[in-house]
Amino acid sequence: TQLLEQSPQFLSIQEGENLTVYCNSSSVFSSLQWYRQEPGEGPVLLVTVVTGGEVKKLKRLTFQFGDARKDSSLHITAAQPGDTGLYLCAGANMYSGGGADGLTFGKGTHLIIQP
Amino acid sequence: DAGVIQSPRHEVTEMGQEVTLRCKPISGHNSLFWYRQTMMRGLELLIYFNNNVPIDDSGMPEDRFSAKMPNASFSTLKIQPSEPRDSAVYFCASSLRSGFGYEQYFGPGTRLTVT
Repeated sequence: TQLLEQSPQFLSIQEGENLTVYCNSSSVFSSLQWYRQEPGEGPVLLVTVVTGGEVKKLKRLTFQFGDARKDSSLHITAAQPGDTGLYLCAGANMYSGGGADGLTFGKGTHLIIQP
Repeated sequence: DAGVIQSPRHEVTEMGQEVTLRCKPISGHNSLFWYRQTMMRGLELLIYFNNNVPIDDSGMPEDRFSAKMPNASFSTLKIQPSEPRDSAVYFCASSLRSGFGYEQYFGPGTRLTVT
């Protein structure tokens, strides 16, 4: 069974601060995704990283895939109250038949940005 | 596009009753996934379909759970009989099978409470 461990589980910081969320596994994934979920809604995809060492930026959010494709990080610069939410990482593997496979999710990081 | 549609949004039922959750994936998507989310266990994959065919149901907790996808635009998840420990938010997601992205689009979820 593949597991993804996210840390920290909970994080509350002041507006304007920087933060990093980690997603670690002992397993290799074909790709890794980051989702953001707000209360009462389903997760929404933020980014997909595929290549080991890949870095992607989405405004103030920077995502990195580890060289060995076992871990990832999300760094937020100058956090805003609108960044508040549950951040989930999810690993994907290619189904042998070439089809989409189910995702393995971490338990998430509950992030609160206080004004 | 309307996105993934799930119904009902909320379901409250008594232990022992049958519960049916419904999902309409995004038109044109050929993979459909059912997940369950709880505080304790996070987001867990229950079952997924590719081209209406069940591929992996190893996440289905017990024989009380069953899922069907009679056509490309509709899927059901049934629990019979329901138990209090089934209380959770159930998400349906769909994706277009392609490459390494596996970008999944989630519905708003069905919050199930079994008393």
